[in-house]
Amino acid sequence: DIVMTQSPDSLAVSLGERATINCKSSQSVLSSFNNRHYLAWYMQKPGHPPKLLIYWASTRESGVPDRFSGSGSGTDFTLSISSLQAEDVAVYYCQQYYSTPLTFGGGTKVEIK
Amino acid sequence: EVQLVESGGDLIQPGRSLRLSCAASGFSFRDFAMHWVRQAPGKGLEWVSGITWNSGNIEYADSVKGRFTVSRDNAKNSLYLHVNSLRVDDTAFYYCIKASGRRSFEWSPFEHWGLGTLVTVSS
Repeated sequence: DIVMTQSPDSLAVSLGERATINCKSSQSVLSSFNNRHYLAWYMQKPGHPPKLLIYWASTRESGVPDRFSGSGSGTDFTLSISSLQAEDVAVYYCQQYYSTPLTFGGGTKVEIK
Repeated sequence: EVQLVESGGDLIQPGRSLRLSCAASGFSFRDFAMHWVRQAPGKGLEWVSGITWNSGNIEYADSVKGRFTVSRDNAKNSLYLHVNSLRVDDTAFYYCIKASGRRSFEWSPFEHWGLGTLVTVSS
């Protein structure tokens, strides 16, 4: 199984400042067939289901603000929020969809400082 | 607009069985893989099962293998999860999910999520 490890577990960031969340996979999620990383990021606000933000490690889902960006390669990935807004308070999860069992990271809770 | 509406969650005793359903609308259901993901109250996300668009590939998490069965009825735009031999640690919200890849033979991101149905296993 591919284990996804996120860090930190939580972080508090001032409004307008950058938030950075890390995700490490226990093995590569890069396909040699299409040279894509099978890595997605989701945002879950309290009382709501998760929402897809980023897929293929760096492609923003339609309608997601451009302050959200994904990067990384190999086994290390990052979700960045360039200028934190109040509505970004949520728990963020990374996920690999490279192989079953499809696995999620443990989540990172983002709060306002 | 894509809509996924789960139903069937209940308070149920350990060892009993349940069938969860997901009614899909707003897209061509027969063309997309579907998944179930669960989330225990206050906890993280756990993938439970996935089924490709043509039911050609069906996979389960080890924690539910042999107890849960996923199926789909493309004529009824519906996804099901039969859950047997329920345990206390199966207590969770169960989400129905539409994947993004059309007629894909590989797994793809979880594009749309339902609101979930709560299964509580307790004596």
